[in-house]
Amino acid sequence: RKEVEQDPGPFNVPEGATVAFNCTYSNSASQSFFWYRQDCRKEPKLLMSVYSSGNEDGRFTAQLNRASQYISLLIRDSKLSDSATYLCVVNTGFQKLVFGTGTRLLVSP
Amino acid sequence: NAGVMQNPRHLVRRRGQEARLRCSPMKGHSHVYWYRQLPEEGLKFMVYLQKENIIDESGMPKERFSAEFPKEGPSILRIQQVVRGDSAAYFCASSPQAREGRNYEQYFGPGTRLTVT
Repeated sequence: RKEVEQDPGPFNVPEGATVAFNCTYSNSASQSFFWYRQDCRKEPKLLMSVYSSGNEDGRFTAQLNRASQYISLLIRDSKLSDSATYLCVVNTGFQKLVFGTGTRLLVSP
Repeated sequence: NAGVMQNPRHLVRRRGQEARLRCSPMKGHSHVYWYRQLPEEGLKFMVYLQKENIIDESGMPKERFSAEFPKEGPSILRIQQVVRGDSAAYFCASSPQAREGRNYEQYFGPGTRLTVT
């Protein structure tokens, strides 16, 4: 079983749609959680950290369920520029990040 | 405020040659991490370094790969006697000094794309 699992997609949505991505992780001792965004052949860019209380940054909302070992990302009012691969990332301790393989999002006009 | 810098951005090596990849962390960051992304795969942790110290090299292949972060200058990832399977994107990330109980976000450089012919 992979340490971090994501649906690879692609998710094809029209502009303005709301889309949600899910991610599960296997290591119950994981300490911190992030969503990164990666555009084709570019470096991962930090989108947001994920907290147990849930957090929101503009159109993006992240949730963490430690009991179910589940992380989610909700994007509202999708823009063309949101097209990218979204990486679920878990810090299992000692600063070592474990990446999911990513969920690809395509937003069309 | 410069971000994480990596060079070269693209590197072509023939089988058996050595590859040297460089990474300069963000200003104020003292921790450096190297990750590898094979084609169509996710990023995989390789090594975590502080100045003059390797903290965790659990993701490094046992042979041919080494990393350092000297007191002065950039961090270097060295791959000796490269093989075709080493072709990948190598990303460096940096973070501030970790404090107990707190994991800081890591910020990534643009990567070095290594092609072994």
